[in-house]
Amino acid sequence: GAGVSQSPSNKVTEKGKDVELRCDPISGHTALYWYRQRLGQGLEFLIYFQGNSAPDKSGLPSDRFSAERTGESVSTLTIQRTQQEDSAVYLCASSLLWTRGDNEQFFGPGTRLTVL
Amino acid sequence: AQTVTQSQPEMSVQEAETVTLSCTYDTSESDYYLFWYKQPPSRQMILVIRQEAYKQQNATENRFSVNFQKAAKSFSLKISDSQLGDAAMYFCAYRSARSRGNAGNMLTFGGGTRLMVKP
Repeated sequence: GAGVSQSPSNKVTEKGKDVELRCDPISGHTALYWYRQRLGQGLEFLIYFQGNSAPDKSGLPSDRFSAERTGESVSTLTIQRTQQEDSAVYLCASSLLWTRGDNEQFFGPGTRLTVL
Repeated sequence: AQTVTQSQPEMSVQEAETVTLSCTYDTSESDYYLFWYKQPPSRQMILVIRQEAYKQQNATENRFSVNFQKAAKSFSLKISDSQLGDAAMYFCAYRSARSRGNAGNMLTFGGGTRLMVKP
């Protein structure tokens, strides 16, 4: 009965480096979302995975951002050539198969990324 | 595209008193869900309450209730008998109920309201 977990909890990197953020969804949850939360702001949608279907990448802010998910398991969000504006908390959420939008999204604790 | 607006960056309430947090949204859809999430300093997003747009009755969860005004596109959260543990960021969120095929039904969030509870 573990919840959504994310690692690392905090990540400090230098401008220009690549980073990988990991999300472990709740077992059995086929849907997985990544959101970004800039300081003092609400969450912005980044990308959505549903089983083995092609992901919805409509929220990714640039081609430096990409994400993968194998089946219904772990997902990784990769940011290449990080910029200072990428500094934010990256939150992952998972849910059961979407039906009319009423399945609750369960959130992980997020990864705080700081780009120096 | 849908937008969600929270016009109160910060609110303060005395312990045991009642406070109302405001939220307005813009959509052309008729079938959707609205949510209030709580985010304490731990960063964990916690679902507080959910409202289905096709239901006229306002949702309630213990000390938390909403005032849903569909025509006005308003969705406020009332916290009664405020407790110190209620201090957190509160986010209003919208989610379409319409199938988007392969695309997900992501949540659209407002900017948040920081609630402070005074002992």
